[in-house]
Amino acid sequence: DAMVIQNPRYQVTQFGKPVTLSCSQTLNHNVMYWYQQKSSQAPKLLFHYYDKDFNNEADTPDNFQSRRPNTSFCFLDIRSPGLGDAAMYLCATSRDSRGSDGYTFGSGTRLTVV
Amino acid sequence: ILNVEQSPQSLHVQEGDSTNFTCSFPSSNFYALHWYRWETAKSPEALFVMTLNGDEKKKGRISATLNTKEGYSYLYIKGSQPEDSATYLCALNYGGSQGNLIFGKGTKLSVKP
Repeated sequence: DAMVIQNPRYQVTQFGKPVTLSCSQTLNHNVMYWYQQKSSQAPKLLFHYYDKDFNNEADTPDNFQSRRPNTSFCFLDIRSPGLGDAAMYLCATSRDSRGSDGYTFGSGTRLTVV
Repeated sequence: ILNVEQSPQSLHVQEGDSTNFTCSFPSSNFYALHWYRWETAKSPEALFVMTLNGDEKKKGRISATLNTKEGYSYLYIKGSQPEDSATYLCALNYGGSQGNLIFGKGTKLSVKP
């Protein structure tokens, strides 16, 4: 089945130690998104790629970076994780930039910072 | 700043009860409203995408309505079952040049056998 896969499901990292979360898709969708959901909060968009075009949300901290080496993969890099970065990170895809056909989500990576 | 509100935050019902939740959103700049069901350790599953004022959609025991003029959507579950236990998220696509979703915080439903 075509899908969006996130690895790992759970990630524990040390305060200040760089960490990378990965997302892959078999849908051949043009757009890939990264959302952050902190406890009891709404998922919040960090950034997205339309093909190779990177779009950062204005309030996304500089500590968060992303890479999309090809259509299938997108990575979220946190350069120096702080305790406040502990959250669920969701990856999503859509065929076009307006989400006309809807969005497909991965099952998320829950990040713990110790 | 666009804000999507969901109520209640959590809900506990008995098996067989019918229930409903609310999603409210700014009525301007509306493009589409999405409902997702998110079970623990799984991906958010798309339930409905609603675009037209007055839309009513149904999927089994779950249905949804949309009022874009007053800015709200209702999700109904008829005869709740334990497997309906999940967090129900609504998300507004306000039709900007990029299809970013603005999510609510969700309604967490627990159905007791």
